[in-house]
Amino acid sequence: QSALTQPPSVSGSPGQSVTISCTGTSSDVGSYNRVSWYQQPPGTAPKLMIYEVSNRPSGVPDRFSGSKSGNTASLTISGLQAEDEADYYCSSYTSSSFVVFGGGTKLTVL
Amino acid sequence: EVQLVETGGGLIQPGGSLRLSCAASGFTVSSNYMSWVRQAPGKGLEWVSVIYSGGSTYYADSVKGRFTISRDNSKNTLYLQMNSLRAEDTAVYYCAREGHDSSGYYYVGAFDIWGQGTMVTVSS
Repeated sequence: QSALTQPPSVSGSPGQSVTISCTGTSSDVGSYNRVSWYQQPPGTAPKLMIYEVSNRPSGVPDRFSGSKSGNTASLTISGLQAEDEADYYCSSYTSSSFVVFGGGTKLTVL
Repeated sequence: EVQLVETGGGLIQPGGSLRLSCAASGFTVSSNYMSWVRQAPGKGLEWVSVIYSGGSTYYADSVKGRFTISRDNSKNTLYLQMNSLRAEDTAVYYCAREGHDSSGYYYVGAFDIWGQGTMVTVSS
């Protein structure tokens, strides 16, 4: 099972918005609303930020939002803050191997 | 406090075996879907294995036949038995709980609780 495709890096200035894409196939992202997003600062465990495409767990700021169109899911972070700098990973349920992750995107806050 | 703590990592020679443990507190392992996820140095996340509350288990193709996931209900602990280890198994191994709502609906693939990770290095 190939990993979902994410851009290696994105950047933005404080206060701006950034969007991270996550492209899969009709066997994963395109067929299931089981897309999640994780935030991972260096040296720490991942933290769930979005589940089932667009739902936020309790405690996650509403600056984080998720969406999906066809085989591509997206994470948008608005009102960018310095503390948002981290690696971000998407994941999706897949019919062939339970869960597949994206390759990760490094977010730099300029 | 809801928490997962992994132990058991270390340096092991290729072909060797290792058992990882993941002790849970604040919730019951046997009532949840529990997974192992690994991350090779400088690389992305890779799902490894899951055990459902009913006991069914599933594995990534990369570890099928070599790794075994299990749990001890009396100790509220999850395990990963790793045999025939290879250099490419070198990674930080995390245990994680799959999120669900109060009615028992599972958010498949949405891991809401993670341990701190334990490092496994396979090298001669």
